Amino acid sequence: EAQVTQNPRYLITVTGKKLTVTCSQNMNHEYMSWYRQDPGLGLRQIYYSMNVEVTDKGDVPEGYKVSRKEKRNFPLILESPSPNQTSLYFCASHRSDQHYEQYFGPGTRLTVT
Amino acid sequence: DAKTTQPTSMDCAEGRAANLPCNHSTISGNEYVYWYRQIHSQGPQYIIHGLKNNETNEMASLIITEDRKSSTLILPHATLRDTAVYYCIVSRPNFNKFYFGSGTKLNVKP
Repeated sequence: EAQVTQNPRYLITVTGKKLTVTCSQNMNHEYMSWYRQDPGLGLRQIYYSMNVEVTDKGDVPEGYKVSRKEKRNFPLILESPSPNQTSLYFCASHRSDQHYEQYFGPGTRLTVT
Repeated sequence: DAKTTQPTSMDCAEGRAANLPCNHSTISGNEYVYWYRQIHSQGPQYIIHGLKNNETNEMASLIITEDRKSSTLILPHATLRDTAVYYCIVSRPNFNKFYFGSGTKLNVKP
């Protein structure tokens, strides 16, 4: 089944404790993105990647890092999480020749205390 | 990218057509109109997209006005499972940023 998977789905952590949210897609898509969703602010893009080893900042990259060492994986790293990073996170991917159809993962709900 | 304006919420009776409007008066010539929906807190789902012409697929129809300043997403026979937030997005193809905005909360009622 074609899908985007994220792990973990739920995470409660404390301020300053490094964490990684994994994202993997099995569709051989070139493009991958991370979004965060907060009440009243909609979905905002954090980082995106056009292919292996090619990444760029979205609208809200502060406090996040990403890497794209393999085509299928695009982990989101929070080196020192803070409470304002409490949010619902989505990973997405799409083919370079199908710009219109992003496939989203199920989401990761992160709480930083 | 062009900004979009959508009503905050709409109601629709089950079995009736749901018509969701979107204004994008500052759209540029090479920008597409995309529609996505998000059911509860699941990941958004692609519905349909278009440039100038009206489009139809198995999920919905997209009507774009001739001046391209507005569009309407039509769900021909709404079901309870169509209750969701619907996002109208305007963007250039292969531009790597999608602005989702606040969307329209569609409530389909029995």
